[in-house]
Amino acid sequence: GDQVEQSPSALSLHEGTGSALRCNFTTTMRAVQWFRKNSRGSLINLFYLASGTKENGRLKSAFDSKERYSTLHIRDAQLEDSGTYFCAAERGSGYNKLTFGKGTVLLVSP
Amino acid sequence: AQTIHQWPVAEIKAVGSPLSLGCTIKGKSSPNLYWYWQATGGTLQQLFYSITVGQVESVVQLNLSASRPKDDQFILSTEKLLLSHSGFYLCAWVPEEQYFGPGTRLTVL
Repeated sequence: GDQVEQSPSALSLHEGTGSALRCNFTTTMRAVQWFRKNSRGSLINLFYLASGTKENGRLKSAFDSKERYSTLHIRDAQLEDSGTYFCAAERGSGYNKLTFGKGTVLLVSP
Repeated sequence: AQTIHQWPVAEIKAVGSPLSLGCTIKGKSSPNLYWYWQATGGTLQQLFYSITVGQVESVVQLNLSASRPKDDQFILSTEKLLLSHSGFYLCAWVPEEQYFGPGTRLTVL
């Protein structure tokens, strides 16, 4: 089946620094979404991309369907950015079936 | 603005008992709706999707069923719960990207 490989599985950052999360896909995907898990366990939408890049505040995401990857960049990390982040990709055949990565646990420390 | 509601917030049920979880979306007609399930420590899996009243397609068989009795309602149910049904259930609305409801945490004992 379709595979979404998300890395790293865990990431520690100091406040004010930045890094990137990455998802690689085993097949061509039509679109990708990035989510953050909230305190209750549900998912909050961060980005939806069918191509190119999007930026929102300190977050920026890119999606390259041809090269089969997507990234989520976090800059100037803050303590409240700590949490679990997921990517999910949509192949585009028929209904909008999303395949999720296993998530990245981000810990931002002072 | 559209809002997604799920009920109940959490349930503790006995093996073999019936289950009914609900999802409703306000502010949108004929929404595409999905049910997801995540076992503790597992990956989110799509279970069912529905694009209109009376129509439900199964994605993954987990001894569960789903129904779309009303335009704004999507129900997930089973007559006999298994231990393996424990986990977190999410309903999603899909205009294009997917928006998730708050979820229901189910514990089967």
